[in-house]
Amino acid sequence: AQSVTQPDIHITVSEGASLELRCNYSYGATPYLFWYVQSPGQGLQLLLKYFSGDTLVQGIKGFEAEFKRSQSSFNLRKPSVHWSDAAEYFCAVGATGGGNKLTFGTGTQLKVEL
Amino acid sequence: GAVVSQHPSWVICKSGTSVKIECRSLDFQATTMFWYRQFPKQSLMLMATSNEGSKATYEQGVEKDKFLINHASLTLSTLTVTSAHPEDSSFYICSARDVGPRRADTQYFGPGTRLTVL
Repeated sequence: AQSVTQPDIHITVSEGASLELRCNYSYGATPYLFWYVQSPGQGLQLLLKYFSGDTLVQGIKGFEAEFKRSQSSFNLRKPSVHWSDAAEYFCAVGATGGGNKLTFGTGTQLKVEL
Repeated sequence: GAVVSQHPSWVICKSGTSVKIECRSLDFQATTMFWYRQFPKQSLMLMATSNEGSKATYEQGVEKDKFLINHASLTLSTLTVTSAHPEDSSFYICSARDVGPRRADTQYFGPGTRLTVL
């Protein structure tokens, strides 16, 4: 069975600082990986996804993530955080693309200090 | 593109009544939609997979008679919470699967519906 671990429940960074949110997955084959962001009381917005090819993927809002098979990781990064990035971030793994069931991590709450 | 809407965005009802939540894909056709439930400060729990023109597939532990799902068209799925009780109060989120070539088999999420049962 597939699973996702987001080891950091809360992260606080200063505006302008760099950010890295960790995600580790467990899946028997090549995973399909996603990062979503959720603002309070809202649905989820897709930030980026990895299906195959280049292991460094670019997303919206200046985010990027790198797939590292050897470490079973798909960490999300942003070089300079903005106050509007404060939100909950979810990593998810899908079996054969996003169309099949997604398994979500428990989320990381990002707080940005001005 | 890839917009999913939900209606209503919030609803308050009395215990014992039924509530219907709609999920629509606005600019693409979705043969598959998913319904999730999210408790405060927790992750999303998949409740069921809704397939157009066929019965929904429910996850283990989800009562199919309580959470009725209908996927009557390629752009609309509905979740009806029957005989709602306070423990059904939650945030319900749907997603729609876009298998078109541009979207590459990705799920897009609606804004969610906050259900409060008194």
